[in-house]
Amino acid sequence: GENVEQHPSTLSVQEGDSAVIKCTYSDSASNYFPWYKQELGKRPQLIIDIRSNVGEKKDQRIAVTLNKTAKHFSLHITETQPEDSAVYFCAASIGYNFNKFYFGSGTKLNVKP
Amino acid sequence: DGGITQSPKYLFRKEGQNVTLSCEQNLNHDAMYWYRQDPGQGLRLIYYSQIVNDFQKGDIAEGYSVSREKKESFPLTVTSAQKNPTAFYLCASSIGTETQYFGPGTRLLVL
Repeated sequence: GENVEQHPSTLSVQEGDSAVIKCTYSDSASNYFPWYKQELGKRPQLIIDIRSNVGEKKDQRIAVTLNKTAKHFSLHITETQPEDSAVYFCAASIGYNFNKFYFGSGTKLNVKP
Repeated sequence: DGGITQSPKYLFRKEGQNVTLSCEQNLNHDAMYWYRQDPGQGLRLIYYSQIVNDFQKGDIAEGYSVSREKKESFPLTVTSAQKNPTAFYLCASSIGTETQYFGPGTRLLVL
């Protein structure tokens, strides 16, 4: 099955700086890559996703890039704010009839004011 | 997200006891999932169901059981065979190849 690795496990940045989280996947058939944000004790919330026919997607301060050849994708957060502090998870799936997700182990982002 | 509910928020299990976690969704989603999350770790798939009366084992199904008698409901039973059940349990649902939406979670603790 698919194997998703996520780095770094923790990331500390100063408010206003950028943050980058990287994930690699093993199955070249994976075609859908969502990113989730999870605050302490709460449910994961989808923040952005990308499909394999697209190389980059942006939504305000958040962007995701996908390199299918190298089998890696990254989350970029610009102008970080303290409320961006949370655990971020990447996932990969081979979506035909439905999505079976394989999650990375998570990155704990701390934005220092 | 508000269309997926889980109960209870906290659940305590005694040794040798089976407990059932509830998951309900009113989003008319076909697929439903159960994940286990341990501290500092990612989500691991326990069971999933694509359609009513059908479900498949995920990566860590041992010690768990599920049923899918109704489209909107996918309860998870943690059996006495699960020797390390303490975790945060998340239910999710999706429609076709669209993304998964998560419930608020149930935290299971062992007495």
